[in-house]
Amino acid sequence: AQTVTQSQPEMSVQEAETVTLSCTYDTSESDYYLFWYKQPPSRQMILVIRQEAYKQQNATENRFSVNFQKAAKSFSLKISDSQLGDAAMYFCAYRSAPSGATNKLIFGTGTLLAVQP
Amino acid sequence: DVKVTQSSRYLVKRTGEKVFLECVQDMDHENMFWYRQDPGLGLRLIYFSYDVKMKEKGDIPEGYSVSREKKERFSLILESASTNQTSMYLCASSLASGTYNEQFFGPGTRLTVL
Repeated sequence: AQTVTQSQPEMSVQEAETVTLSCTYDTSESDYYLFWYKQPPSRQMILVIRQEAYKQQNATENRFSVNFQKAAKSFSLKISDSQLGDAAMYFCAYRSAPSGATNKLIFGTGTLLAVQP
Repeated sequence: DVKVTQSSRYLVKRTGEKVFLECVQDMDHENMFWYRQDPGLGLRLIYFSYDVKMKEKGDIPEGYSVSREKKERFSLILESASTNQTSMYLCASSLASGTYNEQFFGPGTRLTVL
């Protein structure tokens, strides 16, 4: 069975600085997807960024980028130029690739990010 | 925009009561999911449905059941609520086909069982 581990329960960053959130996973599959979701306080969870395992290039979405190390089974999220609105719980998630897969996500335990002004 | 709504943001029930949590999505998604979110445990899948009247158990189905009579609506049922079911419940939906099948989440229902 696949597992996702987030070893940092809480992180803090100064506004405008860069922070990296860690995520490791365990799987025997070769094809899968990885996601970072953001859950702001009292607001809905939204997708931040996603990565296909077969792509070597790291995904980037504006100030958000990932460092995907397939051999090490590591998938970290880097937030550049941190803003107050980035304060949230961040979840790393794994999903098996399609072709009959049921699209279930496996989540890590989350990292609570605080942004200091 | 995809919209997933849940019937209540906050709910307080007594032990032994039957509890219904409702979820509605407006984007004709085939897949719908119920998760439970607890501090230090992340999100855990309770049940999911891939079509009307179809359902599969997730990782923690004990004490829960679900109903999907219409494509847009997915209900989570606590037959006899217990205090250990006090939690945040999140509903999500997604397309069945496609590359990413991104899951879209509702705002959550914080259930307290006294």
